[in-house]
Parts: sequence; structure tokens; C-alpha cells
Amino acid sequence: DSGVTQTPKHLITATGQRVTLRCSPRSGDLSVYWYQQSLDQGLQFLIQYYNGEERAKGNILERFSAQQFPDLHSELNLSSLELGDSALYFCASSVASGPRTEAFFGQGTRLTVV
Amino acid sequence: GENVEQHPSTLSVQEGDSAVIKCTYSDSASNYFPWYKQELGKRPQLIIDIRSNVGEKKDQRIAVTLNKTAKHFSLHITETQPEDSAVYFCAAPGLAGNQFYFGTGTSLTVIP
Repeated sequence: DSGVTQTPKHLITATGQRVTLRCSPRSGDLSVYWYQQSLDQGLQFLIQYYNGEERAKGNILERFSAQQFPDLHSELNLSSLELGDSALYFCASSVASGPRTEAFFGQGTRLTVV
Repeated sequence: GENVEQHPSTLSVQEGDSAVIKCTYSDSASNYFPWYKQELGKRPQLIIDIRSNVGEKKDQRIAVTLNKTAKHFSLHITETQPEDSAVYFCAAPGLAGNQFYFGTGTSLTVIP
């Protein structure tokens, strides 16, 4: 157990809908990262938050948004869902913002868009 | 952002043999290089990492080497076992140093 909690574990929804994925980082970790992993694909960096502020943005679609709350949990909002959005979404957390700190991954949320 | 290339994409070895996975990166300022192991349907887990001030790091059957001049780093697994079968990802920090860019992964199969 990495200490990073993601909910829900599985989510099935229809095209055009909106969903929210939730991530609770490890206790004491200030930085949260979101990644998308499509079938047989690598890990695509979406966005990072540090202590409530957006710190870095990767290949995140405009239909997607995220935020980190004062209690440091984070939510990834996916709207106007398309079939191609079906993927495993991972959240990771680390103590600091820099790259020299280990990132711990949650178990992921498997999103299926039908 | 950082461009991380990983080879090979698939690798099959006999149990007991060694496996080597190589990654290259583009940003010479990158200074931390973790390797993650992901079993089917599970989360990536850090198995070893190396910082730019050393050239090699070992942890039992796993080692990582770093060549900053050539901008490449490699994962070495010796005496492979069936439980080593998984997808392995290398990573390097982005230009801002805040995020990890991952390689495309290597699917390792250890044949008993």
C-alpha cells in the first residue's frame, strides 16, 4: 500500500458525460500528479499541483481540469467524455515539488466510456 | 518538455539470464532518474532511482547506470526470476523539474 488513495476504482459512463476522480495523497505529501495510461500505452503526464497551486501542466485536454483542495486532496474532472478517454488514471504524490523526490502512485481509477 | 526514449519495447529472457533496458533523455539539466515496475492492472512502483552525482547504484539483483555525457541511463536485472515479469518504465524530470516524463515502457517476460 503506497498510502495514496484513489476513488472510485472503476467507473463506467456514457459519452458526453462528466466524471470526477478523487485522490488523497500520502500523509505529509504536498505534491500531487495526475497521469493517464491508455491500453498498452505509457504514462502520460497531465498536471501537477503543489500545496494547492498548479505547478506544471502536461498534455491535458481543455475538457479536463483539476484542483487541489486545502486538505491537499485533489480531483480530476473529465467532461464531454469521448470513447478515447477510456483509460487508467493514476494519481501520484510526493513530499516536495522538485524531481529529486520519490513519487508514490495510487491504485488508479479505470474509466470506461461507452 | 523532456523527451524520454526507452528501448526495447518488449524483452523476453530465460530465467536466470540478465535483462537490460535503456533510456535516453533530452534535457541535460535533468538530475534524477527513477525506474518503476508495473504489474498487470496495478500501480507503478518505484524499484530504484539514481541521482546525477553518481554513475551507478545497485540494490540486490537490480542496478542502474547513468551516463550524463551521453544522456542515457540503463536498468540491469541479473538472475531474472518469473516474478520480474512486468512492464518497466524509466522517467526523467521535466524542464521545470516538477513532473516526471515517462518512457514508453518495456514489457519484460521471464520464461521459466
